[in-house]
Amino acid sequence: AQKITQTQPGMFVQEKEAVTLDCTYDTSDQSYGLFWYKQPSSGEMIFLIYQGSYDEQNATEGRYSLNFQKARKSANLVISASQLGDSAMYFCAMREGLSSYGKLTFGQGTILTVHP
Amino acid sequence: KAGVTQTPRYLIKTRGQQVTLSCSPISGHRSVSWYQQTPGQGLQFLFEYFSETQRNKGNFPGRFSGRQFSNSRSEMNVSTLELGDSALYLCASSHSDGNSGANVLTFGAGSRLTVL
Repeated sequence: AQKITQTQPGMFVQEKEAVTLDCTYDTSDQSYGLFWYKQPSSGEMIFLIYQGSYDEQNATEGRYSLNFQKARKSANLVISASQLGDSAMYFCAMREGLSSYGKLTFGQGTILTVHP
Repeated sequence: KAGVTQTPRYLIKTRGQQVTLSCSPISGHRSVSWYQQTPGQGLQFLFEYFSETQRNKGNFPGRFSGRQFSNSRSEMNVSTLELGDSALYLCASSHSDGNSGANVLTFGAGSRLTVL
């Protein structure tokens, strides 16, 4: 069973507008963490934002915010005021449990294209 | 502070050969993880090392192996290469994010392997 699902293969947004990238997850663990990474065409994965399963408030990092709905098991990424440089592949990922920091399960990714 | 360094960045091998990829984590990081990224399977966890010990392993055949040295540098080896091993191999080291306090993976730029 897929643990991280990103249902949007591609998304388009106009520069300066906001966009939401969807992510749903599946886990039986009570403790888990959710991550979003950005991968530009250069290939390097860039960490954007993190949400812990026990965090009551939605995480925010500058123009990025995570819309965490625990009961629905969703962790959508919201990018406000899109910029041309935001065009990239975006991955949602999950770490289950409190140990094994290095093991993340990734979704298939969403390609975001920002139009001028 | 230098980031995660992976060498070589690009390499071409033929079927049946073996390959060794190197990863130097961020100074002070003791955990190193490896991932394989392909268009078909996406990002898949290979293994994680911490203080020279393999802490976790993904679902890959025994042809994929790794090790970590006392200076935290890590290598992964793939023997008897197959066409399907063509991929971007990403290495990551983990640290605590200053804002969220979460243990976050910082990735290198990757080693792109082509098997002919």
